[in-house]
Amino acid sequence: DQQVKQNSPSLSVQEGRISILNCDYTNSMFDYFLWYKKYPAEGPTFLISISSIKDKNEDGRFTVFLNKSAKHLSLHIVPSQPGDSAVYFCAASAMYGNQFYFGTGTSLTVIP
Amino acid sequence: GAVVSQHPSRVICKSGTSVKIECRSLDFQATTMFWYRQFPKKSLMLMATSNEGSKATYEQGVEKDKFLINHASLTLSTLTVTSAHPEDSSFYICSARANPSGGAEVGYGYTFGSGTRLTVV
Repeated sequence: DQQVKQNSPSLSVQEGRISILNCDYTNSMFDYFLWYKKYPAEGPTFLISISSIKDKNEDGRFTVFLNKSAKHLSLHIVPSQPGDSAVYFCAASAMYGNQFYFGTGTSLTVIP
Repeated sequence: GAVVSQHPSRVICKSGTSVKIECRSLDFQATTMFWYRQFPKKSLMLMATSNEGSKATYEQGVEKDKFLINHASLTLSTLTVTSAHPEDSSFYICSARANPSGGAEVGYGYTFGSGTRLTVV
């Protein structure tokens, strides 16, 4: 049973515009959420996270929003750059980093 | 930063043979490593938790006799796919926690290997 879902397998955005990647989860026990970026033939690299006590976390061009009531989080990238083209995974954890549940990923293409 | 090295990156094997995948922590010691599997267009699924010096903990539905895990040292865990079948073809990836005290702001200190693409023909 997929507890973390990313319903958009792909997204194309023009350079300089905003990229919005969405993630939904079903388990109300999840309290930490992370976004990973993955290039082909490489492992995922950590990008940004948010805990359930917050509804927003910002790091440079990357902002993650959490809506606990809707069990939904999103990653905003602005402005988008061609180097941001990659697969983005969201992940959730119910305990302090002990086990992650990953979404299926969204492939972002930023068009120059 | 912390590096987890995974080898091989790609392997093709015949049905019925066994394949070993190595996961090494290069600049830190890892008492625990994690093995994930990713099917095409699917998420990374945790297969098992590898514990140094003891038996691995397998997730529900993962055959422990099929996927043998050995964690003989603090820097090396291996996953052996035994009697491989085409349905075992997948992307396997390991991770380890380089910074046990790392919080959410650093992804809890987990670092992932680059993955192994296994194709069984």
